[in-house]
Amino acid sequence: DIQLTQSPSSLSASVGDTVTITCRASQGISDFLAWFQQQPGKAPKSLIYAASSLHSGVPSKFSGSGSGTYFTLTIRRLQPEDFATYYCQQYDSFPITFGQGTRLDLK
Amino acid sequence: QVQMVESGGGVVQPGGSLRLSCVTSGFNFSAYGMHWVRQAPGKGLEWESYIGRDGTNRYYVDSAKGRFTISRDNSKNTVFLQMNSLRTDDTAVYYCAAGASYWGQGTLVTVSS
Repeated sequence: DIQLTQSPSSLSASVGDTVTITCRASQGISDFLAWFQQQPGKAPKSLIYAASSLHSGVPSKFSGSGSGTYFTLTIRRLQPEDFATYYCQQYDSFPITFGQGTRLDLK
Repeated sequence: QVQMVESGGGVVQPGGSLRLSCVTSGFNFSAYGMHWVRQAPGKGLEWESYIGRDGTNRYYVDSAKGRFTISRDNSKNTVFLQMNSLRTDDTAVYYCAAGASYWGQGTLVTVSS
């Protein structure tokens, strides 16, 4: 199974900051990587697919990059609604796996 | 707009069964592979199962093999998850997801004696 390791596991930031979350895969997955946002008590929301493509309606303040084993999610100009937990997911091969999540808190 | 509504969750004793349903609308259901993903209380997301667009290809996480069965009815835009031999560690919110695009709101399954 492909393991995904996100770092950091938690992160504190202020409104207006820019933050970057990394996701490392235990083996190469090309660009078969997605990012999701989950607010407390809510369902996940799709942000990015194919490592860097934004889903429709997702603001351009979110950006993804990477391929192979190293990926990043960058969020610019943080707003209160951006403080949530973020997950990466690989869909290169079954079983599909998720990273452990990165909790982004307001400092 | 896209809607995905799960149902069928509830409280069940260990060893029992439940059938989850996910009724969808607002997108071309038959063009998407469908997933079930679960989240235990206070934990992260865990993928459970996938079914291809025409229902031919099905995949499961190891812990679900032999116990869970995924199926779909493209005429009703619905995906199902039949869960048998439930265990206490199956307690979670179960989400259906369309590809990597759309998610339902989840249905809570509690396995407890």
